[in-house]
Amino acid sequence: NAGVTQTPKFQVLKTGQSMTLQCAQDMNHNSMYWYRQDPGMGLRLIYYSASEGTTDKGEVPNGYNVSRLNKREFSLRLESAAPSQTSVYFCASRQRGEVYEQYFGPGTRLTVT
Amino acid sequence: AQSVTQPDIHITVSEGASLELRCNYSYGATPYLFWYVQSPGQGLQLLLKYFSGDTLVQGIKGFEAEFKRSQSSFNLRKPSVHWSDAAEYFCAVKAGNNRKLIWGLGTSLAVNP
Repeated sequence: NAGVTQTPKFQVLKTGQSMTLQCAQDMNHNSMYWYRQDPGMGLRLIYYSASEGTTDKGEVPNGYNVSRLNKREFSLRLESAAPSQTSVYFCASRQRGEVYEQYFGPGTRLTVT
Repeated sequence: AQSVTQPDIHITVSEGASLELRCNYSYGATPYLFWYVQSPGQGLQLLLKYFSGDTLVQGIKGFEAEFKRSQSSFNLRKPSVHWSDAAEYFCAVKAGNNRKLIWGLGTSLAVNP
């Protein structure tokens, strides 16, 4: 049982390049989330998906798009990377119902130069 | 609006000393409360949670937290800190029907030998 996996672990992009961060969970969870973590700013929600086929904006969605490919996978795309998107990105998932805790992946450290 | 405050940005304790990390929330009713830990270079791991019932909850790694409604607080404690407890600690709240968690900015814990 791998839990939440993220690829890649590290990535360096030049300004204007695009890339997709991949996330998959094997816990049969309904909800999935993308966060970014920056020093002194804690975790900020970018997008989330309450269930397969639905996505919603979080606090900081500008510059990002997401796809909930199926129940397992939730990808985050940067169409034209900017230095302000340098961050550590975490994917998380949660099962439906009264259990609200989120389970996190190991993160992707992205640097945009 | 709901909010979570972790008043201490950084705390240093000696190994073997007791620890208390503070968390205050703003919400009219009883929220669901969580503490997560993030070791360096890792994702977040759930330490403990409170939904209802006994206001003193036990978590993993010897941590406990106490919900105090009158103070809108959910402080994390450990009687004797180990060097391996050095990490970032996040308090989070789920308020109402919101599917999202509201996160504090975190407290960084350093442990002196």
